[in-house]
Amino acid sequence: EAGVVQSPRYKIIEKKQPVAFWCNPISGHNTLYWYLQNLGQGPELLIRYENEEAVDDSQLPKDRFSAERLKGVDSTLKIQPAELGDSAVYLCASSAQPMDTQYFGPGTRLTVL
Amino acid sequence: EDQVTQSPEALRLQEGESSSLNCSYTVSGLRGLFWYRQDPGKGPEFLFTLYSAGEEKEKERLKATLTKKESFLHITAPKPEDSATYLCAAGRSQGNLIFGKGTKLSVKP
Repeated sequence: EAGVVQSPRYKIIEKKQPVAFWCNPISGHNTLYWYLQNLGQGPELLIRYENEEAVDDSQLPKDRFSAERLKGVDSTLKIQPAELGDSAVYLCASSAQPMDTQYFGPGTRLTVL
Repeated sequence: EDQVTQSPEALRLQEGESSSLNCSYTVSGLRGLFWYRQDPGKGPEFLFTLYSAGEEKEKERLKATLTKKESFLHITAPKPEDSATYLCAAGRSQGNLIFGKGTKLSVKP
């Protein structure tokens, strides 16, 4: 069974440019998560979807970050405009139900110059 | 405030030298304690979930245990391929995970 797929794996952009990350969860998983991981830190939740509804986006910086999950499957996380401090790894995870084990993708490493 | 603290931050072992990693937590409405392994450049890989104090789970050289305030990941006779960062996460009633900073384990041959 395929795991969580993310693309791109790496992205380098200039500050103030837009960037988007894509995630395809494990088939049949209704709950999808986006996390941010800084170097030497554990992942921190940005947003959680149950099907196509964002049920927890309290930690998402809404002035520059946005996310969508069309048809309750794939998801896209966007940053516009990017800032130097956004350099980090963006992880996507999915679980069958909200309380179930979360399985992570390989992440997208973003570098903002 | 919900919090997860892992210690030590880094641990260097010789091959075969057993040890334990600690994860202490203060989380209201705990819904499971999760252990993940993370290799450089990869996403966290699920290892164990523990739901109640006294519960233990094993996988190869790893054994995870849980009390009301902390969890331990015991590594018996580690090998170099066990080198990784081990992350502990507490599941909250909302369905979210709160992670510790991890313990970076290095096992030398």
